[in-house]
Amino acid sequence: SAVISQKPSRDICQRGTSLTIQCQVDSQVTMMFWYRQQPGQSLTLIATANQGSEATYESGFVIDKFPISRPNLTFSTLTVSNMSPEDSSIYLCSVDTGSGANVLTFGAGSRLTVL
Amino acid sequence: AQRVTQPEKLLSVFKGAPVELKCNYSYSGSPELFWYVQYSRQRLQLLLRHISRESIKGFTADLNKGETSFHLKKPFAQEEDSAMYYCALWSNDYKLSFGAGTTVTVRA
Repeated sequence: SAVISQKPSRDICQRGTSLTIQCQVDSQVTMMFWYRQQPGQSLTLIATANQGSEATYESGFVIDKFPISRPNLTFSTLTVSNMSPEDSSIYLCSVDTGSGANVLTFGAGSRLTVL
Repeated sequence: AQRVTQPEKLLSVFKGAPVELKCNYSYSGSPELFWYVQYSRQRLQLLLRHISRESIKGFTADLNKGETSFHLKKPFAQEEDSAMYYCALWSNDYKLSFGAGTTVTVRA
């Protein structure tokens, strides 16, 4: 299955700043997903990123706050803009394994702490 | 809209005892259900899928459409089963939705 590298693995950010998380996959994938896991909570889908089209955002998430790029079939970025302490979370990149089994492979996550 | 419910946040069992993690779902279409697991300091990974109907690491899960459930079971828990377990549902609009998760601790 695909191997996903996410950067940064963790960061401490100041309120009001923005941070971009990178997701690199070792193979070409059609669908990439960005999830958020707030402290003590489950994973919530932020958006689906397909190459060559605008990302599709879930209810409660907007492009201005979480802009996503998907320049090719192996890479995507998620930016968390104008951060506040409520944005402190683990952000996970995932991809469909492409086996037709609807199974997702996950990155290790990026743990952001906003002060 | 789909919904996945895991009523137990924490589950503690003794080694060798049976363990059952509950999962209920609501979905208007034909559900495709999964269990994912996250061991300490490891990535979230697939444990099993209902379609494959297989036993992985001694775990099984049966989809019960009448009760809209997909409970995960293992007859004899091992210490290495201690982990966070998530029930998840794949919907027709190509999204995977997760339950709240259950932390399992297997005590010696």
